[in-house]
Amino acid sequence: GAGVSQSPRYKVAKRGQDVALRCDPISGHVSLFWYQQALGQGPEFLTYFQNEAQLDKSGLPSDRFFAERPEGSVSTLKIQRTQQEDSAVYLCASSRDRGEQYFGPGTRLTVT
Amino acid sequence: QQQVKQSPQSLIVQKGGISIINCAYENTAFDYFPWYQQFPGKGPALLIAIRPDVSEKKEGRFTISFNKSAKQFSLHIMDSQPGDSATYFCAAKQGGSEKLVFGKGMKLTVNP
Repeated sequence: GAGVSQSPRYKVAKRGQDVALRCDPISGHVSLFWYQQALGQGPEFLTYFQNEAQLDKSGLPSDRFFAERPEGSVSTLKIQRTQQEDSAVYLCASSRDRGEQYFGPGTRLTVT
Repeated sequence: QQQVKQSPQSLIVQKGGISIINCAYENTAFDYFPWYQQFPGKGPALLIAIRPDVSEKKEGRFTISFNKSAKQFSLHIMDSQPGDSATYFCAAKQGGSEKLVFGKGMKLTVNP
């Protein structure tokens, strides 16, 4: 079946612009995760949803970062007033409840 | 601080050789230890995972060895192939939490 899909795959934003990154999880997966992966580093947890409920947002680096999953399926990660340090690959993962996490290809964000 | 420490940072092996990647952790509440493989431009893909109630798990050419007393676990890739050339991440998850904590990754190169 189809895996996790993310769009856009690449995004270039000027410093100060707002961006929105989309994630389509595997059908039927109730849990959805966002991770940030800096160049040459491992992914770092940002936030986690179970259905539409955001159960953990402890990894969001600042209040400029906001995630939502209003209908318990597609999720959007929004970054307001982007800064250069926000440049990274943003990975989305989904899983059955408490199951293995399956990752999407990521969105590479470059802030100029 | 780094909750999961991975070594070495890079490894070059010849085709047919054994690749060994090590990880160490401090948090004794971790109860799930997956290994992920990541190719350039792709998201991490789950290879194999283990829970601390077993000391070894084998799937094809991939074996995880787990030493609970030493708080260490390792990935062995037998009969390494050029197609195994990728970055490998160990990770850990704590009981009661769904977020994965990743190591920094190890770049494996398998020469033909």
